[in-house]
Amino acid sequence: EVQLLESGGGLVQPGGSLRLACAASGFTFNTYTMSWVRQAPGNGLEWVSAITSSGDFTNYADSVRGRFTVSRDNSKSTLYLQMDSLRAEDTAVYYCARSSTVTTVDYWGQGTLVTVSS
Amino acid sequence: QSVLTQPPSVSAAPGQKVTISCSGSSSNIGNNYVSWYQQLTGTAPKLLIYENNKRPSGIPDRFSGSKSGTSATLGITGLQTGDEADYYCGTWDSSQSSRVFGGGTKLTVL
Repeated sequence: EVQLLESGGGLVQPGGSLRLACAASGFTFNTYTMSWVRQAPGNGLEWVSAITSSGDFTNYADSVRGRFTVSRDNSKSTLYLQMDSLRAEDTAVYYCARSSTVTTVDYWGQGTLVTVSS
Repeated sequence: QSVLTQPPSVSAAPGQKVTISCSGSSSNIGNNYVSWYQQLTGTAPKLLIYENNKRPSGIPDRFSGSKSGTSATLGITGLQTGDEADYYCGTWDSSQSSRVFGGGTKLTVL
């Protein structure tokens, strides 16, 4: 059974940093592109970032480029999102997601809440 | 503002059929497969339809998808109260080099 378990969310002040992790199990982690998708309270889904199976290629939404860094450790089947210079508008539930193709996210984690507030 | 446009809400009675539209452009829906996701209140999204009209195992055939040009449609027949949820379309946008989602549609089963 595919499982994605996020951790690392919490309350952080504007300008602060946070590192999210996503522990994957139930599939061969190093063969899948992985993504982060977020959802602000009461809003829709917003794709944040993705990283290819080997980690060689990453891309980001314009709203986070230069502030967030996605990475992965295939030896630990874990995906990361380093979030720096956080802003109030980054407040959201962050989902770890597996991409079966470039157009499809086939499995989602349960999400972790990040709140940016003073 | 989302790249893909969905109606904010739709409603229908139990047992009836409903369709949800998703409108885009040639840089996204027009040249890429579309997926659909269901998000029940307080839960993570779940894949309903991929590659325009394919259902993952476990998804009942009451759910269907189609695509024509730069628009896609999700259809749900035999509506049940348990179908009440937010539904999102998604695809790849070649001009932005990013995955994109619609703004979501809230389905109410009256």
